[in-house]
Amino acid sequence: DVKVTQSSRYLVKRTGEKVFLECVQDMDHENMFWYRQDPGLGLRLIYFSYDVKMKEKGDIPEGYSVSREKKERFSLILESASTNQTSMYLCASSYGGAGTYEQYFGPGTRLTVT
Amino acid sequence: AQSVTQLDSQVPVFEEAPVELRCNYSSSVSVYLFWYVQYPNQGLQLLLKYLSGSTLVKGINGFEAEFNKSQTSFHLRKPSVHISDTAEYFCAVSPMDSSYKLIFGSGTRLLVRP
Repeated sequence: DVKVTQSSRYLVKRTGEKVFLECVQDMDHENMFWYRQDPGLGLRLIYFSYDVKMKEKGDIPEGYSVSREKKERFSLILESASTNQTSMYLCASSYGGAGTYEQYFGPGTRLTVT
Repeated sequence: AQSVTQLDSQVPVFEEAPVELRCNYSSSVSVYLFWYVQYPNQGLQLLLKYLSGSTLVKGINGFEAEFNKSQTSFHLRKPSVHISDTAEYFCAVSPMDSSYKLIFGSGTRLLVRP
């Protein structure tokens, strides 16, 4: 059974802080993704990684960076958190392309920036 | 570019009644189509997907969807809903020429009442 875990369910940070969101998958998946979920906007892709140390920008990468040093772990970094980054963040992983291989999602981290 | 429109932000329905959640998409290339469900305080879970072949696709929990290429639609249906179907439902597409990406609609909240 595929498991995608995220380091925190709820997080409260102050404006200007550096924030790390961690995601770990246990199925040796090649691809990992970070999405942001906001009411009325659905999920929007921030970054994805198709291999260790490889990354590609999604639709809304501004204000975020990522790190993938090991295959099972994908980190999202907010260099200087701002209030407009208050949101739900979802991590996902998949073995291959979306057309053939399902994306498995973690439970999400609800981040509040004050 | 691709976009996904879910016409209803919320659909209230009584238990054991049928339901249809609407999804329309726009794309300049062929796409794969998906429906995901998000139960309260959980990540997303794949309900069903259309890759090719029969336009009627059956998924988990008694849901099915029909792909209509001429109307660029992929509506989700269930003949008789249960209280436990209360959740948010997301339609998504993946362009065949860039299959890592999933583009999500804004979501439809299904509220099943006793």
